[in-house]
Amino acid sequence: SQQGEEDPQALSIQEGENATMNCSYKTSINNLQWYRQNSGRGLVHLILIRSNEREKHSGRLRVTLDTSKKSSSLLITASRAADTASYFCATVPTGTASKLTFGTGTRLQVTL
Amino acid sequence: DGGITQSPKYLFRKEGQNVTLSCEQNLNHDAMYWYRQDPGQGLRLIYYSQIVNDFQKGDIAEGYSVSREKKESFPLTVTSAQKNPTAFYLCASSVGRRGEPGYGYTFGSGTRLTVV
Repeated sequence: SQQGEEDPQALSIQEGENATMNCSYKTSINNLQWYRQNSGRGLVHLILIRSNEREKHSGRLRVTLDTSKKSSSLLITASRAADTASYFCATVPTGTASKLTFGTGTRLQVTL
Repeated sequence: DGGITQSPKYLFRKEGQNVTLSCEQNLNHDAMYWYRQDPGQGLRLIYYSQIVNDFQKGDIAEGYSVSREKKESFPLTVTSAQKNPTAFYLCASSVGRRGEPGYGYTFGSGTRLTVV
């Protein structure tokens, strides 16, 4: 079963612009993670935010978490063509001992 | 370099055949996972193992089998009972032990299985 749903499903922006992707989930969570997948490749872990955290930064990435709304957002600032990929949120529901459940992903296209 | 190795990269299966996908990690991670990804879709969990000689079914385990005889290895067999096996298969591992969910996953580069 899919726990997370990303929005939008696809996003096209120009290089230098910011990209914002949203994720909603259904049940209480221990933590939420964001992953990136280049076409035909495996996923790469970007950032993890715990349920008691509200915001986290890593380089050009900023993640927020609102547990009352069961939602998270990923902001990529000053996007580059190399950021073109699919981005997935994944949650560890409370009590599932590290078993990640993935959303359906946002396909980001960054054009020159 | 530490990481996860999946092989083969591409695999073709005839109707009625069993095939085994390999997944090996040298990260000393306790937990390993198999996911299936269909075109334009998210990942769905097939099986996972949090300790050697123990594994649990995920959301779509029917038609698949696994073993975990060594910490480093978690092979997935796609049996003839899996009616729609054409997909991209991803193996992952994490440090997380039972009750310790606060770790990210490391993924392999995937195996693309096609039924011919």
